[in-house]
Formats: sequence, structure tokens, C-alpha cells
Amino acid sequence: QKEVEQNSGPLSVPEGAIASLNCTYSDRGSQSFFWYRQYSGKSPELIMFIYSNGDKEDGRFTAQLNKASQYVSLLIRDSQPSDSATYLCAVNPRGSTLGRLYFGRGTQLTVWP
Amino acid sequence: KAGVTQTPRYLIKTRGQQVTLSCSPISGHRSVSWYQQTPGQGLQFLFEYFSETQRNKGNFPGRFSGRQFSNSRSEMNVSTLELGDSALYLCASSLADHPHSYEQYFGPGTRLTVT
Repeated sequence: QKEVEQNSGPLSVPEGAIASLNCTYSDRGSQSFFWYRQYSGKSPELIMFIYSNGDKEDGRFTAQLNKASQYVSLLIRDSQPSDSATYLCAVNPRGSTLGRLYFGRGTQLTVWP
Repeated sequence: KAGVTQTPRYLIKTRGQQVTLSCSPISGHRSVSWYQQTPGQGLQFLFEYFSETQRNKGNFPGRFSGRQFSNSRSEMNVSTLELGDSALYLCASSLADHPHSYEQYFGPGTRLTVT
């Protein structure tokens, strides 16, 4: 069973704060990790991907991967109300073709002005 | 570059009918994956196609099938629709030319309602 776990939230932060979203996965050999943002009624939008241990930064977003702890996180700096959405963690486990992703249930983030 | 397109965007069908959904990937993308999203189960993988071949299939009954054409466009079909098939069906494409180029980009989805 390849599981991806996220805190369902909701997570509520004030505008300008750092939002921290967490994800754990069960397959130790997992290779690729993705964060998607999904607004209500819309499809998921890829915002970050990370393949190696450590941090990866892109604008206000930082993805952090720790394979030893089987943990991946997403930090959103200077959070804006427009960041309010559900954030989905996705993992490509070892043994799967690279075209198959396992998704967590998502964390709902609300950024209040 | 145009994104992933899916047609139709909305569909209402009756139990027992069948339905075909279409997906056009981003130009140059060779892999197409299909997912079902429901409030109860979240996002679940249906199948993936690469170069007209199904490479992986999720845990869905045989009523769910798909195919990919030589231009990478893909269709999925659901036969003998059940009420539980009501969901958002998402197609995602990826370049798939290197182990680290499997970032998947989703289309807008097809909202299927079965009555």
C-alpha cells in the first residue's frame, strides 16, 4: 500500500505570514515529489517538484525533501489571500511507471487579510 | 504553448449509458495519465498511456478503458455507468523523455454526473 498523508487542515494564516504544509509517504524508495495547488472548482496546478534531498526555492515557494524521514514539505512565504486553496502532495513511488502519481487528500489553506 | 485540453467540460448521463472523454496533451508531450477525483476518495489514478500503449493501470473495474492515438491524444471510455462514477475526470500530460521530466500538467477536467 503506497500511502501519502497530509494534514487535512484547514490551515489558516494571516496575510504576510509563512504557511507550512507537510506530507509524509510510505514507500521509502519514492523518487519524485510534487506539490499541486487546486482552487475550488478548478483542476490541480503544478507549483513545485523536487527530486533530491534538501530545499528547492521558486519565488515565494520552497519545497523541502527529507528522504530519510520520508517527509516533504512546502513553505509559502509572504502568504497572500490568493494563495487560499487546497494543496495536494503527490509522490511517484519506486516500482511504478513514472506516469503514475499517488496523491494525498490535500491540505486546505486559508490566508486571511 | 497551449495547455492540456479536455472535452467535453461537463456531461450528464443516465445509469447504464456509456461515455467517452477526450484529452489533448501539451504539444510534444508523449505521456497521458487519467485520474478520477471525488470528494470521498480524492485523486485516484486510472491509467497511463505512452506511445499508444497502456503502461500502467489503477484499481478500477474493466468498465473503465482508454486509448491513445499516434498524435498523443487520448480518450477514456466508461461503459455501463453507475451513480458512483459521478466525478471530475482529469487528464494530465508530461514530456516523459527523461526520468526527471515526468512533471504532470493537468487539463481543466470533465465533470461527469450520472443520474
